[in-house]
Amino acid sequence: AQKVTQAQTEISVVEKEDVTLDCVYETRDTTYYLFWYKQPPSGELVFLIRRNSFDEQNEISGRYSWNFQKSTSSFNFTITASQVVDSAVYFCALSETPNDYKLSFGAGTTVTVRA
Amino acid sequence: DAGVTQSPTHLIKTRGQQVTLRCSPKSGHDTVSWYQQALGQGPQFIFQYYEEEERQRGNFPDRFSGHQFPNYSSELNVNALLLGDSALYLCASSLRGYLDIQYFGAGTRLSVL
Repeated sequence: AQKVTQAQTEISVVEKEDVTLDCVYETRDTTYYLFWYKQPPSGELVFLIRRNSFDEQNEISGRYSWNFQKSTSSFNFTITASQVVDSAVYFCALSETPNDYKLSFGAGTTVTVRA
Repeated sequence: DAGVTQSPTHLIKTRGQQVTLRCSPKSGHDTVSWYQQALGQGPQFIFQYYEEEERQRGNFPDRFSGHQFPNYSSELNVNALLLGDSALYLCASSLRGYLDIQYFGAGTRLSVL
């Protein structure tokens, strides 16, 4: 069963628009970690954020912000005032504990920011 | 500080051949994980190596094997290549591998003809 669902396959916006990427996860563990990674055309996955299951505080880093809601099993990601350099594929991932070292990725959302 | 490096960048093989991909972890990291990313999909976990042993394995056949060396670098070997093995192979390194952030290399693009 898919543990991480990213329902949006592609999103296209004009520069300076805000864009929100949805991520819904499924786990029976009470302790787990959620991640967002960015994959530009170069192929390398770039780490953006990690949240643990006990910390539901929203986080902001520059133009990026994350909204974690355990009640709806969601960990959404918003890019404010998007820029062309934000064009990439974004992946949400889940790491369950203990004794599970792998990342389970969603299918990714392709974001295209047009000038 | 060098990040995760993978070689080669691209590789073309034919069905039935064998291939070896290499990964050097980020400085200070001791754990290496391998992922397969098919076109248009998210990465799928192959296995993780820690202290030169396979610590966890994903749902991949025995044709996929690996090795970790004392300097923490790692190899991924795939035998009897199939067309379906064509993908981007990503290596990630971390410290101890448990609850630690995995940092990824740029990957090796394998094409099987």
